[in-house]
Amino acid sequence: QVQLVESGGGVVQPGISLRLSCAASGFIFSNYGMHWVRQSPGKGLEWVAIIWYDGSKKYYADSVKGRFTISRDNTKNTLYLQMNSLRAEDTAVYYCARIGYDSSGHPSDYWGQGTMVTVSS
Amino acid sequence: QSALTQPASVSGSPGQSIAISCTGTSSDVGGYNYVSWYQQHPGKAPKLMIYDVSNRPSGVSNRFSGSKSGNTASLTISGLQAEDEADYYCSSYTSSSTLLVFGGGTKLTVL
Repeated sequence: QVQLVESGGGVVQPGISLRLSCAASGFIFSNYGMHWVRQSPGKGLEWVAIIWYDGSKKYYADSVKGRFTISRDNTKNTLYLQMNSLRAEDTAVYYCARIGYDSSGHPSDYWGQGTMVTVSS
Repeated sequence: QSALTQPASVSGSPGQSIAISCTGTSSDVGGYNYVSWYQQHPGKAPKLMIYDVSNRPSGVSNRFSGSKSGNTASLTISGLQAEDEADYYCSSYTSSSTLLVFGGGTKLTVL
């Protein structure tokens, strides 16, 4: 069965970097594009970044552009999110999600359970 | 980028039908048929309910349906059940450089 397991979250000070990982299993990872989506405590979903199945294209939300980098290692079935210059407003649960349909809406059919990132001094 | 606009809350009684709106612009909802809807129960990951405006993934109840008119998309839930009580989010492709945008979310209460 499809599984997405995020890791790497924690409590960090503003300005510090953190790298999140998402281990994928149960499907051919290299065939699917992937998202990172976050949710601040008590708030709504916010799309963060997307990467094509082969890593050839990447897009970012304006709020993270220039600070976050999405990448993947198809040999390790793992998705990453490198987060630099973290701010208090980056505090959120970070979900990885698989793009399940061939649509420019990039809908996500499977989601991980999320990893919490808290940015606080 | 600006989030798509959803009502903060809607409610309905068991058996009734409700609709949740998602309003954008001609650069996102109105310009393309790439609207998705997600359901999220407290403490859980989101679940895809509708994609490409009106397509239902396998396994999603046919009580859930989607539509679009102009810059506004809608998710309709018929025959409301207690288990439908959750937060619902729309998302859309956008022609801006960011590619994707979410709505602010709607809390559905089943009375």
